[in-house]
Amino acid sequence: GAVVSQHPSRVICKSGTSVKIECRSLDFQATTMFWYRQFPKQSLMLMATSNEGSKATYEQGVEKDKFLINHASLTLSTLTVTSAHPEDSSFYICSASTSGSSYNEQFFGPGTRLTVL
Amino acid sequence: GENVEQHPSTLSVQEGDSAVIKCTYSDSASNYFPWYKQELGKRPQLIIDIRSNVGEKKDQRIAVTLNKTAKHFSLHITETQPEDSAVYFCAALDDKIIFGKGTRLHILP
Repeated sequence: GAVVSQHPSRVICKSGTSVKIECRSLDFQATTMFWYRQFPKQSLMLMATSNEGSKATYEQGVEKDKFLINHASLTLSTLTVTSAHPEDSSFYICSASTSGSSYNEQFFGPGTRLTVL
Repeated sequence: GENVEQHPSTLSVQEGDSAVIKCTYSDSASNYFPWYKQELGKRPQLIIDIRSNVGEKKDQRIAVTLNKTAKHFSLHITETQPEDSAVYFCAALDDKIIFGKGTRLHILP
């Protein structure tokens, strides 16, 4: 299957700093990438959908100015958590799809565990 | 919007027995229903999926059934093995994918 990488896998930062997470599709072009947040023992919650070359679509309750998403190419999307606070600590997972919607299989990255002190 | 309910939240079965996880969805326009397995700290892995024009699909020990009229679908794992222990998520898709809350499956020796 298609491979999606995520970097970094783990990050610890101080409160108030910004953290950038990269999501790359390694062997296919991802028209659409999705960003999820997963708190311990909970389900994946969709944060936003990003299409290459256009602004991301954020889910209700997700602050677009806090979670900046850039999808500059068909193989790379980035999520920047700005002015991170302890409540932002979570497991962030991206996924990529080859079509314009997520109808086709989504391929998940390995996730990034963010801990904000 | 779509709402996906998943039951049970925790399931323990004896090794070798079968496990069944059930999900319901609310949006009749949803047309794709994947199941994911997630081991602790790892990414979700697609294990089986079914589209709305099919009622049942089987892949070795795993099967999924879909009842569009009742808007529910189920995952069946037969002859369970220790490596089946994980969290399983159902999902439903219309224009975006919505996950159930997950089922923690324990396979007892």
